[in-house]
Formats: sequence, structure tokens, C-alpha cells
Amino acid sequence: DAGVIQSPRHEVTEMGQEVTLRCKPISGHDYLFWYRQTMMRGLELLIYFNNNVPIDDSGMPEDRFSAKMPNASFSTLKIQPSEPRDSAVYFCASSLILNTEAFFGQGTRLTVV
Amino acid sequence: KQEVTQIPAALSVPEGENLVLNCSFTDSAIYNLQWFRQDPGKGLTSLLLIQSSQREQTSGRLNASLDKSSGRSTLYIAASQPGDSATYLCAVPAGNMLTFGGGTRLMVKP
Repeated sequence: DAGVIQSPRHEVTEMGQEVTLRCKPISGHDYLFWYRQTMMRGLELLIYFNNNVPIDDSGMPEDRFSAKMPNASFSTLKIQPSEPRDSAVYFCASSLILNTEAFFGQGTRLTVV
Repeated sequence: KQEVTQIPAALSVPEGENLVLNCSFTDSAIYNLQWFRQDPGKGLTSLLLIQSSQREQTSGRLNASLDKSSGRSTLYIAASQPGDSATYLCAVPAGNMLTFGGGTRLMVKP
């Protein structure tokens, strides 16, 4: 397996635009997580899914953020409208079951200008 | 609420030195503890995962230990190399998420 795959690797967008980040988890993993990393706050969990169902979205900062997992091999994180303070690295991770080894993607570096 | 702390925040050593990175956590009721490596501009690479029932785990020049009762884990790197330069993060499951320490930024000088 190629590991967790995220796209794009880098995204630069203007304030107010819609941004969609994509993730393909490791095949067979039932859990998918979206994290955000910033210098100020470190790594924070935004939302996680179990078997494609969102379980906990309490980390999603605002209604501007939404996430979907239409099938076991694909998830999206959407920000609409984007703001400069959303600039961060967004990571997707997956694990076989909860509280086991988590595998992270390479991340998407988002810059909102 | 679980809190994870890593000391030191940054470390610079000459090549060849053995070194220890520290991780402490406030709630000892953990399932496991995971150590990651992050290179600049890259994702997190899982290095070692220690189950709560284990005391240590080894992979090559890396050895991680876990003392649940004292809320501590250490990552020992033997014979450090410039290629070991990266940020090392520890994380523990807390509720349904991983709680990360702030990381130790390691620089190994040739």
C-alpha cells in the first residue's frame, strides 16, 4: 500500500475562495482523521470518521469547515469561504481500529492570502 | 484532560552522540504511546508504538521506553547521524484522538 495519500501538497488561494483538500486512507483502515498543524497550536484533531461515518467533529473550528467521506477510500475537507487564519498544514491520517497505530499522509500546506 | 509535554524543545548535538528525548503525559490511563518523526515540510512518519503493557520497543538505533506510572516515555537514539535531524513528536490516544506533544527539534551536526 502506498500509505495515506493527500492532495494537493500545496494550495495557495485568495481569501473568500473555496478550498477542497483530499485524502485517500490506507486500504482496510476503518478510521480516518483530519488534523491541522500550526506553529501556535501544534497538531489538533478536526474530525474523524469510522466506517465513513463522522463520529466527532468537535474540533472543526467553524461552520466554514466541512468534511465528507463518501466511501471507504476517499475523504474531503472543505473550507468555504477561506480566511488567512486558516493557513496551516492539514494532515489526514488513518488507522485500522481506534487507539492503534496511526499513519499520516504528507499533508497539504494551505496558504490563504 | 490529557496533556503531553516534550523536553527539550530543541536539541543540537555532534554526530555520533547518543541522545535521549523526553515525553511526559498527565493521565497515565493510556492504551499506547506513539513516537513520530517529522521532516521539514513533510508528514509524520511513525517510528515506534509502545503498548501500555510494554516497557520498551526497539527499531534499529531507536529505543523507546514507557513508564506509565510516572507518565513518562523516552526515545533513545544511538550513534546519532545528520540524517536523524528532524522534529520528533510523541502522542498518546486521549478519548478518540491523538494528543501530541509540542515536539523536540533535533539537529545533528556533522
